[in-house]
Amino acid sequence: EPEVTQTPSHQVTQMGQEVILRCVPISNHLYFYWYRQILGQKVEFLVSFYNNEISEKSEIFDDQFSVERPDGSNFTLKIRSTKLEDSAMYFCASSEVIGAGKDEKLFFGSGTQLSVL
Amino acid sequence: AQKITQTQPGMFVQEKEAVTLDCTYDTSDPSYGLFWYKQPSSGEMIFLIYQGSYDQQNATEGRYSLNFQKARKSANLVISASQLGDSAMYFCAMREGADGNKLVFGAGTILRVKS
Repeated sequence: EPEVTQTPSHQVTQMGQEVILRCVPISNHLYFYWYRQILGQKVEFLVSFYNNEISEKSEIFDDQFSVERPDGSNFTLKIRSTKLEDSAMYFCASSEVIGAGKDEKLFFGSGTQLSVL
Repeated sequence: AQKITQTQPGMFVQEKEAVTLDCTYDTSDPSYGLFWYKQPSSGEMIFLIYQGSYDQQNATEGRYSLNFQKARKSANLVISASQLGDSAMYFCAMREGADGNKLVFGAGTILRVKS
């Protein structure tokens, strides 16, 4: 079964440092997403990306965050200057379509646990 | 108001029994999709089942079925013949709008299957 892969699985960084979280979505998928889950809390939407541009973003996704699809396979989330409250599990996801029944389901990666010290 | 409400923080079920995990949702959009995901202790998010707002039949996927009551805005997950491996966190989520492309998640329900 095809899967979304994320690297690294764990990332520890100092407050104020830049981090890049990497994802390889499923190859024939067109829609890409980042979600995060702070420990013990619900999964929150950050951003969706389609056709090489952001299609929707949440209030959490401020100017410190950016996403990029630098080539045909990778999808990255950059946090420019990390804060303590950015510590969370970050999930990348992809879907083949949207609004189209069961095929619109999101496939999630295993996540990157980001710890900001 | 919460878009997705899961009122059961934790549930226990005996192995081989069935269990129902509750989910209610709030939307005024006629087009939406409802999803259930499983998150085991290893952390990954595993898709279980999907129900579209226009689907006439309740969705089923193996041991998982979705009890969709549109008028009551509920989409409860039923797991039949529980197994020890079903112990996990379960999230209900909703996509709103025909071209909406984000999921809103509930707070989750921790399910523990007892042997």
